[in-house]
Formats: sequence, C-alpha cells, structure tokens
Amino acid sequence: EDQVTQSPEALRLQEGESSSLNCSYTVSGLRGLFWYRQDPGKGPEFLFTLYSAGEEKEKERLKATLTKKESFLHITAPKPEDSATYLCAVSWGSNYKLTFGKGTLLTVNP
Amino acid sequence: DAGVIQSPRHEVTEMGQEVTLRCKPISGHNSLFWYRQTMMRGLELLIYFNNNVPIDDSGMPEDRFSAKMPNASFSTLKIQPSEPRDSAVYFCASSAGQLIPGELFFGEGSRLTVL
Repeated sequence: EDQVTQSPEALRLQEGESSSLNCSYTVSGLRGLFWYRQDPGKGPEFLFTLYSAGEEKEKERLKATLTKKESFLHITAPKPEDSATYLCAVSWGSNYKLTFGKGTLLTVNP
Repeated sequence: DAGVIQSPRHEVTEMGQEVTLRCKPISGHNSLFWYRQTMMRGLELLIYFNNNVPIDDSGMPEDRFSAKMPNASFSTLKIQPSEPRDSAVYFCASSAGQLIPGELFFGEGSRLTVL
C-alpha cells in the first residue's frame, strides 16, 4: 500500500484556469510534508514545507495547505511556465527519510 | 552559487559492467542522499549520509550497490555488476537539516541505461 498518493496523475489546464492537486498520506506521526517541482531532465526543486494541520504556505501562484490526512497544492491563474511535475513527500515518526508520491504532471496550455 | 553537481549526466553501459556515479554536495551541507527515480516506482531513497557517515542504507537494493562519502565534498554510488533493471535516473541531494530532511537540494541526475 502506497503511503503517499497523489492525484490526479496528470492534469491539463488552460492558462488562467485555476485548479488543485491532491496529496494524501497514510503515515502516522507526520513530521513534515514537502512539495517539490520537477522539470523534465532536472532534479526536483523544493517549494514548501508544511508541519501541522491548518498550516498554509504561498509562493507566487501556488498555495499549499495541510490537513490531518492530505495536502492540496492550489494553482491560481496558472501560466504555461507552471507546467511541470509536482511531487509531494512526507517525513514521519522517528524516520527522517522522505517518502515521495509519484507526482502529478501538470500541463498548462497557452 | 554552485548547486549539487553530479557526473556523468548520462551513462550507457552493458550488463555486468561496473558503474560509478559521482556527487559533489553544496558546500556546508552535512546531509547527503542518493535517490533513484523510475516511472514505475517514483523516487526511492537508496542511502543517507550525515556528516559523511552512512546513517541509513536500507534502501540499497542489494549487495551490488555500494556508496561512499570519503569527505564532505564528495560521494560515489557504485553498481557492480550492473543489470538492465538498474536503468533509472539517479539523483544526489544535499541538505543542511539534521533531525529531519528539511529542504533537499537535488542535482540534475545521472541517467543510467544498462543494455
């Protein structure tokens, strides 16, 4: 059973069309939830860290939120340059490893 | 500022050959991670070093894989002998965090193809 599940696997939007990506997790004792962006042929790039339910972080057109079982990455009025794979990862319990989801491939058409 | 530097960027080899991937972390970072990424399994942690000491190697798939960090500015991941199922993109990442991974800085990866 996957501990981190991201949905949808792929999302195609028109420029300006806002939407949300989901990351649900089944681990207990969450120490942190992380969002990364990955462009083709590149390594993941850190976006946000969320530590507790109710926390929100914003960066440009992106806003990440966290509940007890899931996180959302809201994308407001996206632009084509927001096209990328967005990865979610969790760290939990006494474990300092990051467990990544498989990502959501976002395509924003002009 | 130089980020995490990995080499080679691409490697094509034949089954049974030895493969060595190299990583230079960001100066001042005391945590180093090796990850493997495939379409089927996503990003998987192979090994984690803290202050040049291997802390967790439970993700190393088998004895064919080994990793070293002789000093704070260099690490290697070696596969010997290589097999076609080792084909993947291997990422090195470094972090200044100690108790939790925190913000990881990834290199651009080494794409390995084993024929």
